[in-house]
Amino acid sequence: GAGVSQSPRYKVAKRGQDVALRCDPISGHVSLFWYQQALGQGPEFLTYFQNEAQLDKSGLPSDRFFAERPEGSVSTLKIQRTQQEDSAVYLCASSSTDRGDGYTFGSGTRLTVV
Amino acid sequence: SQQGEEDPQALSIQEGENATMNCSYKTSINNLQWYRQNSGRGLVHLILIRSNEREKHSGRLRVTLDTSKKSSSLLITASRAADTASYFCAPAPSFSGGYNKLIFGAGTRLAVHP
Repeated sequence: GAGVSQSPRYKVAKRGQDVALRCDPISGHVSLFWYQQALGQGPEFLTYFQNEAQLDKSGLPSDRFFAERPEGSVSTLKIQRTQQEDSAVYLCASSSTDRGDGYTFGSGTRLTVV
Repeated sequence: SQQGEEDPQALSIQEGENATMNCSYKTSINNLQWYRQNSGRGLVHLILIRSNEREKHSGRLRVTLDTSKKSSSLLITASRAADTASYFCAPAPSFSGGYNKLIFGAGTRLAVHP
């Protein structure tokens, strides 16, 4: 595709509910990153995929967060038993290089946990 | 913290003026990237400067890098109202396993008034 597509654009979840956020990177992009952005803050790294391999998941805040990219293209970030502190914008970015030069970001999914 | 830290936190100028934003970081880097974020949108990659480069230009943007001082600056010349956005520097630490694990600061909020 022409850009990185994320869905849904907005998600309201009740506390305790499981959610799944989808990222469609630019076709052929090797690197895929997930970031979490709280209101008024910069994005914080969650996890990194190189093709289907999850090479770094050091930023995932707890074991309630899980990400996958099984075929090296579409990625899903899953949050189990959502809490209010999970409310944030979740950004996906992809890059054509394995080093991740110059990310292309999606517009994000705004998650609100009530 | 490994993150880039932008200064000032907020900047308000008139159209036609130049805007300068500064960034400091703490670790050795492979490169440093600057991104722009309009309200409620994803981040847009502006420019990447490698650790062996000192200055780079792209249109009305000029980026400098001083690795001895661990600092960078972004200059926007002849600013326009459309430049109103948050600007983030993102250093890519050289220890991050061969890929650009960008670490974002809180950003500089630039307001350009007509």
